[in-house]
Amino acid sequence: ETGVTQSPTHLIKTRGQQVTLRCSSQSGHNTVSWYQQALGQGPQFIFQYYREEENGRGNFPPRFSGLQFPNYSSELNVNALELDDSALYLCASSRSGRVSYEQYFGPGTRLTVT
Amino acid sequence: QQPVQSPQAVILREGEDAVINCSSSKALYSVHWYRQKHGEAPVFLMILLKGGEQKGHEKISASFNEKKQQSSLYLTASQLSYSGTYFCGTAQTGANNLFFGTGTRLTVIP
Repeated sequence: ETGVTQSPTHLIKTRGQQVTLRCSSQSGHNTVSWYQQALGQGPQFIFQYYREEENGRGNFPPRFSGLQFPNYSSELNVNALELDDSALYLCASSRSGRVSYEQYFGPGTRLTVT
Repeated sequence: QQPVQSPQAVILREGEDAVINCSSSKALYSVHWYRQKHGEAPVFLMILLKGGEQKGHEKISASFNEKKQQSSLYLTASQLSYSGTYFCGTAQTGANNLFFGTGTRLTVIP
């Protein structure tokens, strides 16, 4: 059983640029949730995709957007990068969008905005 | 809606026990526990659901007090591998997202 994978591992961008992060869900999972984790903090929910539709969104501006593909992999896009966007971005996959199911996290993408 | 974890940090010697607490001001449907080592992804430990159902690793135990909206994670006979930051994630009924606490840093020393 393949686990959750993310790419790239690290990324350095300049303020104002755009970035795309990718996530492959675990086999048998149809839901991907994205989180932002600042240093020393817990993960903060960005949004969730369930069967290719957005299924909930946290308190993040519209410049954070996403996609889910038919194979349930997902992308997180961030436009007009700001310095505060520097963080570890985690995706987690689960069997369902319901919170009664456990979520399995990928290794994350470390984004640095300069 | 972020849950509050306590303690913020704890140091144990191998073989000692620890309890990590998580409390919320909101009525909860589920509590999820994860352990994250430095530079790694959070690893799923346990999920506790309203009504008493639990799913997780055999060597991990936890409780969920639905009346108090509190959960506790019990680590017994700690090993060096238990070191890391423990996070609880909480969800309300009808929600599809987790709110995570700020974590409890656990260090186990020989």
